[in-house]
Amino acid sequence: GIQVEQSPPDLILQEGANSTLRCNFSDSVNNLQWFHQNPWGQLINLFYIPSGTKQNGRLSATTVATERYSLLYISSSQTTDSGVYFCAVERTYKYIFGTGTRLKVLA
Amino acid sequence: NAGVMQNPRHLVRRRGQEARLRCSPMKGHSHVYWYRQLPEEGLKFMVYLQKENIIDESGMPKERFSAEFPKEGPSILRIQQVVRGDSAAYFCASSPVQGRKIKYNEQFFGPGTRLTVL
Repeated sequence: GIQVEQSPPDLILQEGANSTLRCNFSDSVNNLQWFHQNPWGQLINLFYIPSGTKQNGRLSATTVATERYSLLYISSSQTTDSGVYFCAVERTYKYIFGTGTRLKVLA
Repeated sequence: NAGVMQNPRHLVRRRGQEARLRCSPMKGHSHVYWYRQLPEEGLKFMVYLQKENIIDESGMPKERFSAEFPKEGPSILRIQQVVRGDSAAYFCASSPVQGRKIKYNEQFFGPGTRLTVL
């Protein structure tokens, strides 16, 4: 099956810093989503991005499908950005999740 | 415009009891997916349903677990005779289109049900 690897596994930032999270996948996919799981466990859709670049406020994402990776950029991080960021890829309707990047933003 | 709803949000069961988890998809969505998240892990696919049909249950344990999505009402994930290893967060997602034949398949997740087995 498709393997999804995320890096780094853990990240600690000072408030206001920028960061880049990476997602590599081992085979071609139809769809890709980024999620934020907040400290209360809720999954929040960040981006649906099978290819190209999207921006939403301080967050942006880029997927290069031909090279099998996606990047999530967080600028001017805030303490509310803390949590786990998951990349998930889909080829046959079921999403396969990476193991996540655990982010902690310090005030 | 309500999102995916799940209830209960927290469920405590003793070993051997039954657990019933409910999921109401977003309005206009007819495809439901169940995922399980063990502590400190990513989500893992369990089952994909459309109204009155199980499309793929390859991720669901063969025994004690079952799922349905009736013509009326929410989707139900049922776990019989729960064991401690069933303790996890169970997430439901819905999408507006059929994922297999049409490339677009954005899934929207509910808040999850956290099952604790004592």
